[in-house]
Amino acid sequence: QVQLKESGPGLVQPSQTLSLTCTVSGFSLTSYNVHWVRQPPGKGLEWMGRMRYNGDTSYNSALKSRLSISRDTSKNQVFLKMNSLQTDDTGTYYCTRSQYRYKSWFAYWGQGTLVTVSS
Amino acid sequence: DTVLTQSPALAVSPGERVSISCRASEGVNSYMHWYQQKPGQQPKLLIYKASNLASGVPARFSGSGSGTDFTLTIDPVEADDTATYFCQQSWNDPPTFGGGTKLELK
Repeated sequence: QVQLKESGPGLVQPSQTLSLTCTVSGFSLTSYNVHWVRQPPGKGLEWMGRMRYNGDTSYNSALKSRLSISRDTSKNQVFLKMNSLQTDDTGTYYCTRSQYRYKSWFAYWGQGTLVTVSS
Repeated sequence: DTVLTQSPALAVSPGERVSISCRASEGVNSYMHWYQQKPGQQPKLLIYKASNLASGVPARFSGSGSGTDFTLTIDPVEADDTATYFCQQSWNDPPTFGGGTKLELK
């Protein structure tokens, strides 16, 4: 069955770089898009960016200067890197797979990983 | 970006019918989707493309709307429905979410 699992450090110091990994199973990264969505504590959901099935990437314009998404199809992994972290980047980070390649909903979600930005 | 506006909270009694609204700042055709999120859990897809029930979701949940105004209805509400409900549009890029409606049971 389709599964996604996020992993990474739970604590990041301000101004440092966040690196997260989304490991997927049950589908191919060359067939489906994988997105990153984050959620500050007690707040709403924010789309961060996507890795398309063909390797193209798109980013939220508010994060574009700090964010990079890449993948390793041989390891079934999608990576998120975001630099210059601040305290308001604290939150739960989810990877999610859309059902279709364009204009789609998020059918499958990882459990999320909590990232705290603090010294 | 397309802004989605939801009322922040609702309180209903078990057995009642509740409607949760989502208004888009511009048309999204029928590409509005609904998610349920319980504390400490990831969001769960309930409704896709305005009115289609996701797999395994009880028929108590339904969705309607098109263009800019959409509604998620739960009828009847059960105690387990206590959660925050988010709308999300995928017609315009980037995809955006509403701020969420927290449903509490009396």
